[in-house]
Amino acid sequence: NAGVTQTPKFQVLKTGQSMTLQCAQDMNHNSMYWYRQDPGMGLRLIYYSASEGTTDKGEVPNGYNVSRLNKREFSLRLESAAPSQTSVYFCASSEIWTSPNEQFFGPGTRLTVL
Amino acid sequence: DAKTTQPPSMDCAEGRAANLPCNHSTISGNEYVYWYRQIHSQGPQYIIHGLKNNETNEMASLIITEDRKSSTLILPHATLRDTAVYYCIVRVALQGAQKLVFGQGTRLTINP
Repeated sequence: NAGVTQTPKFQVLKTGQSMTLQCAQDMNHNSMYWYRQDPGMGLRLIYYSASEGTTDKGEVPNGYNVSRLNKREFSLRLESAAPSQTSVYFCASSEIWTSPNEQFFGPGTRLTVL
Repeated sequence: DAKTTQPPSMDCAEGRAANLPCNHSTISGNEYVYWYRQIHSQGPQYIIHGLKNNETNEMASLIITEDRKSSTLILPHATLRDTAVYYCIVRVALQGAQKLVFGQGTRLTINP
């Protein structure tokens, strides 16, 4: 039972390049999330997917797109990376219908945009 | 969304109880208080949550004041591995998913 996995762990991009961050969970959770964390700050929600087939914007969605590929996988795409997107990206999943409804987080992807 | 206020940093001696305060004076009646922690840039980890009663689990205790405007997370016997950033979060439910709003948290340092 791996929980939430993310790939890659590290990535360096040049401005304007594109990439997709992958996230998968094996806990059969309905909801999945993408957050970013800038140095010294708390996490901010980028996009979330309440259930398979649905996605919605969070607090900071500009510059990103997401795809809920199936119940297990939720990807985050940067179409044209900018230095302001240098951050650590965390994926999480949760099951709203069971207590305590906590979110389980992956280990993060550390992205640098030059 | 109810906002939370936490001290930016705290220190505690190893083996002593660590008491982390959180103010959430605008919390509404159906909002829960959740605590997460983040150890050295890993993904955050759930600790405990509560509505209005005090709660205890294997990791910590949560004390919520009667007016629900503040709470305290208690780590009863802190160890060096408890050094982390602790986030107090008021849960906002959104269309079946849980939108968590993270502040800057409290950086807790456990000293030997």
